[in-house]
Amino acid sequence: EVQLVESGGGLVQPGRSLRLSCAASGFTFDDYAMHWVRQAPGKGLEWVSVISWNSDDIAYADSVKGRFTISRDNGKNSLYLQMDDLRPEDTALYYCAKDVRGNIRLFRMDVWGQGTTVTVSS
Amino acid sequence: QSVLTQPPSASGTPGQTVTISCSGSNSNIGSNPVNWYQHVPGTAPKLLIHSDNMRPSGVSDRFSGSKSGTSASLAISGLQSEDEADYYCAAWDGSLSGRGMFGGGTKLTVL
Repeated sequence: EVQLVESGGGLVQPGRSLRLSCAASGFTFDDYAMHWVRQAPGKGLEWVSVISWNSDDIAYADSVKGRFTISRDNGKNSLYLQMDDLRPEDTALYYCAKDVRGNIRLFRMDVWGQGTTVTVSS
Repeated sequence: QSVLTQPPSASGTPGQTVTISCSGSNSNIGSNPVNWYQHVPGTAPKLLIHSDNMRPSGVSDRFSGSKSGTSASLAISGLQSEDEADYYCAAWDGSLSGRGMFGGGTKLTVL
């Protein structure tokens, strides 16, 4: 079964850091680009970041650029999101999602996890 | 505010056809394929339409997509209560260093 399972969410104070993980199974992880997408309470989906199959190509939303870092470990079938200098507006449900290709510009996500919740509050 | 513009809400009665629009620009819809996602709150989003008008395996043929210039549309025919969800258009935007874009989402209510 193709599956993505996010973890690492929680309550964190503004300015602090958090690292999200996404464990992939049921498919050849290193064939595909991977995304992070978030949904703030009462808001729509917001794309956060994407990484190509070999980590050579990465892109970020303007709202997180310079604060978040996406990475992957193909040997561990895992995707990560290092979130630094967190702000209250980063509070959201964070999904990881698999693209259908290895490059980042198709933006077609066919498998999604159930999400992990990040709350930034003092 | 999203670069891809969708109406915030749409509604219809069972059996009707509903259309949801998505307006963008040359750097996104005008030069890249449009995808549509269905999202029922509390569940994982689902890819509904890809490459402007293609349905993934398993998606009902009641769902169809189209694109013209810098605008795209999602049509849902034979509306059913289970179609009540949030719908998002999405496309890669090639401006600056490139970024993914979702529309603001359209909440579909089946009356």
